Amino acid sequence: AQKITQTQPGMFVQEKEAVTLDCTYDTSDPSYGLFWYKQPSSGEMIFLIYQGSYDQQNATEGRYSLNFQKARKSANLVISASQLGDSAMYFCAMRGSGNTGKLIFGQGTTLQVKP
Amino acid sequence: NAGVTQTPKFQVLKTGQSMTLQCAQDMNHEYMSWYRQDPGMGLRLIHYSVGAGITDQGEVPNGYNVSRSTTEDFPLRLLSAAPSQTSVYFCASSYPGQMNTEAFFGQGTRLTVV
Repeated sequence: AQKITQTQPGMFVQEKEAVTLDCTYDTSDPSYGLFWYKQPSSGEMIFLIYQGSYDQQNATEGRYSLNFQKARKSANLVISASQLGDSAMYFCAMRGSGNTGKLIFGQGTTLQVKP
Repeated sequence: NAGVTQTPKFQVLKTGQSMTLQCAQDMNHEYMSWYRQDPGMGLRLIHYSVGAGITDQGEVPNGYNVSRSTTEDFPLRLLSAAPSQTSVYFCASSYPGQMNTEAFFGQGTRLTVV
């Protein structure tokens, strides 16, 4: 069975500093994909970044980067130069091989950016 | 572009009532899914579909039915609402094929069962 674990229910970061949100996963699939989504207080789900299990390099998208450590089964999200608008809930999710579109989500981490 | 549209946005039901949450997408996505979001539990998969006429159960299917008669629509039916079904419901869609295709989500339906 696949599982995603996010062990940080809540995090604080000072504006303009970097922050790392933790995500560990468990799967027996040799091929899988890892996603991060942002959910602001307005409730919508916003796709941030993707990492494939066979990708050689860590994914980056603007201020977002993914610290992917395959042997440790971790896919931590790094947000650089935090902004007040980064305050939100963040979800790590996984899609297994035999892609059927479905995602397995972690419990989420609430990030608050302090001015 | 409308993307994924869910209706209604808010709903209050009495225990035992039935209702249908609507989900429609205009991106011609084959894959569609329903999730429920509860505090501290993330999003959990209720049902999913890989195309018209094909549906399957997810992690928490009890109390819910789905059907997929068209590519565009994937309604979720609550047969007899219970307070435990109070939650925020999200519908999502994506293209088949590549592992890295992102899922597009609707705005969510906040359901309260009293």
